[in-house]
Amino acid sequence: NAGVMQNPRHLVRRRGQEARLRCSPMKGHSHVYWYRQLPEEGLKFMVYLQKENIIDESGMPKERFSAEFPKEGPSILRIQQVVRGDSAAYFCASSPSGDYTFGSGTRLTVV
Amino acid sequence: QQQVKQSPQSLIVQKGGISIINCAYENTAFDYFPWYQQFPGKGPALLIAIRPDVSEKKEGRFTISFNKSAKQFSLHIMDSQPGDSATYFCAAAVGGGADGLTFGKGTHLIIQP
Repeated sequence: NAGVMQNPRHLVRRRGQEARLRCSPMKGHSHVYWYRQLPEEGLKFMVYLQKENIIDESGMPKERFSAEFPKEGPSILRIQQVVRGDSAAYFCASSPSGDYTFGSGTRLTVV
Repeated sequence: QQQVKQSPQSLIVQKGGISIINCAYENTAFDYFPWYQQFPGKGPALLIAIRPDVSEKKEGRFTISFNKSAKQFSLHIMDSQPGDSATYFCAAAVGGGADGLTFGKGTHLIIQP
């Protein structure tokens, strides 16, 4: 079992570009969560998805951010028109229900 | 989501000593309290978790103490080792965590040899 796989590990984008972050959950896990970690801060919940459904997106910024978890393939966190304030580590976690396994994260740098 | 307050922000402990990290919460609906360990460049890894029906849980050198009336819980690391140097996060959740976790801001722990 390869664990939760996130790619890319590092992503550099210029202001105004789009960032796509991918997360493949552990085999058999149907719940995916995205968290954002700013420097010297804890992780902040963004969105909770199950296959083809967004269950809770209360932590997602209202604009420019979207997430999906299609029937086939990885979960995608998409950030349009990135700004410097989007620079952070983005972590995905998966769960059968409850106990989480986190991926190693994608570190997004906006220049 | 309600806040979880974690202290101290950083902690230096001598090898062999006891490391103690504290957290306090506000939402009485929280029913799951995990602790995560994070090394630089890695994702958080579940260390130990407790539910409010018990006041203490021990796994090896790691112990969670839980005070429901005070709405506080703490992590104790006994016989602290240099390999324990990491950032530790407490978290809390409703419904066993299925709907997402609320994290504290973390404690940078350094164990001096």
